[in-house]
Amino acid sequence: GAVVSQHPSRVICKSGTSVKIECRSLDFQATTMFWYRQFPKQSLMLMATSNEGSKATYEQGVEKDKFLINHASLTLSTLTVTSAHPEDSSFYICSGVAGGVSYNEQFFGPGTRLTVL
Amino acid sequence: RKEVEQDPGPFNVPEGATVAFNCTYSNSASQSFFWYRQDCRKEPKLLMSVYSSGNEDGRFTAQLNRASQYISLLIRDSKLSDSATYLCVVQTGANNLFFGTGTRLTVIP
Repeated sequence: GAVVSQHPSRVICKSGTSVKIECRSLDFQATTMFWYRQFPKQSLMLMATSNEGSKATYEQGVEKDKFLINHASLTLSTLTVTSAHPEDSSFYICSGVAGGVSYNEQFFGPGTRLTVL
Repeated sequence: RKEVEQDPGPFNVPEGATVAFNCTYSNSASQSFFWYRQDCRKEPKLLMSVYSSGNEDGRFTAQLNRASQYISLLIRDSKLSDSATYLCVVQTGANNLFFGTGTRLTVIP
């Protein structure tokens, strides 16, 4: 299967700071990337869908000004958590899809564990 | 109502046992169905797709019942390495995946 990397794998930050998470597709071009969040013992929840070169589409309840997504190339999408608070502590996972017409398998990154103190 | 509902378990079974997981989905327009496996603190990985005709991959068998909006996964001859959380995933619309909360399986020696 295709490979998606995320960086960093783990980050601890102080409340009020911003954190940037990178998601890269290493061996394929991801026309669409997804950002998910998973709280302990809960399912993955889709936060937003980003298409290369256009604005991300956010799910209901996700603040676009707080979770900034940039998908500037076919191999890189970034999620910036601005003014992070302890309730933002979670496991953030990205996935990439090649193609965009019908369903293609989503390849998930290894996730980034964010802890906000 | 949740898009996808699963029994969270945990299921604790001895090695060699057969175990079945079930999942229901709410949107009758859902198009594709999958089982993913997620190990602790890791990303989900596709285990298998689920088709109306049923499909089998080694010890794993998946079934879909569109009329009842029900998906199942059967694992035969459980191995210790099967211990993980199994996520029922439903696609509705282009690339919109909805994940169940997962069913935790522990295979005991």
